[in-house]
Amino acid sequence: DGGITQSPKYLFRKEGQNVTLSCEQNLNHDAMYWYRQDPGQGLRLIYYSQIVNDFQKGDIAEGYSVSREKKESFPLTVTSAQKNPTAFYLCASSIVFPGQEDYGYTFGSGTRLTVV
Amino acid sequence: GEDVEQSLFLSVREGDSSVINCTYTDSSSTYLYWYKQEPGAGLQLLTYIFSNMDMKQDQRLTVLLNKKDKHLSLRIADTQTGDSAIYFCAESHDPDSWGKLQFGAGTQVVVTP
Repeated sequence: DGGITQSPKYLFRKEGQNVTLSCEQNLNHDAMYWYRQDPGQGLRLIYYSQIVNDFQKGDIAEGYSVSREKKESFPLTVTSAQKNPTAFYLCASSIVFPGQEDYGYTFGSGTRLTVV
Repeated sequence: GEDVEQSLFLSVREGDSSVINCTYTDSSSTYLYWYKQEPGAGLQLLTYIFSNMDMKQDQRLTVLLNKKDKHLSLRIADTQTGDSAIYFCAESHDPDSWGKLQFGAGTQVVVTP
């Protein structure tokens, strides 16, 4: 079955460390996205990519970095510059251009990052 | 300000109908979506509606779209305890990119016995 996989499900990080969250999809989707969700809040876009080797900043990109070397993969690095990294991180993918019936985003199951 | 707005909380009794409301500002929105998020999980696409439609029904779910008022609603008939979740409204607002969605803040629905 096609889908989008985030790993790990839970991640603990010490202050001052960088950490990388994995996101892999086998849906042949062109676009991929990273969102941050804080308790009781909606989704805030961190970065997105519509094509391999290209990505754009979202609304809260500071302290984060991404790469898109392969269509299937869009890892997110939470750097030590991110002052409040404890949150639930969601990855998603989608088609970019119309012509298919599979609209909207497909989401991964999320990674909960806690700074200790 | 927010491009997509939702009320934050809804309490409903088991067996009753739930109605979750959403307003959006972009008149060029082409697709509007409803997603469901259960605790500790990702978002699951429930349904979507094209902007040239007024209504879409899918089993217990009914989506109503009022383009004039830019108002979208999701009705869940015979609400069950398993329907307790956060529901997000979303719209595609970027005419150059069908993939990029704008989400509301989510409505927490609590179903009581």
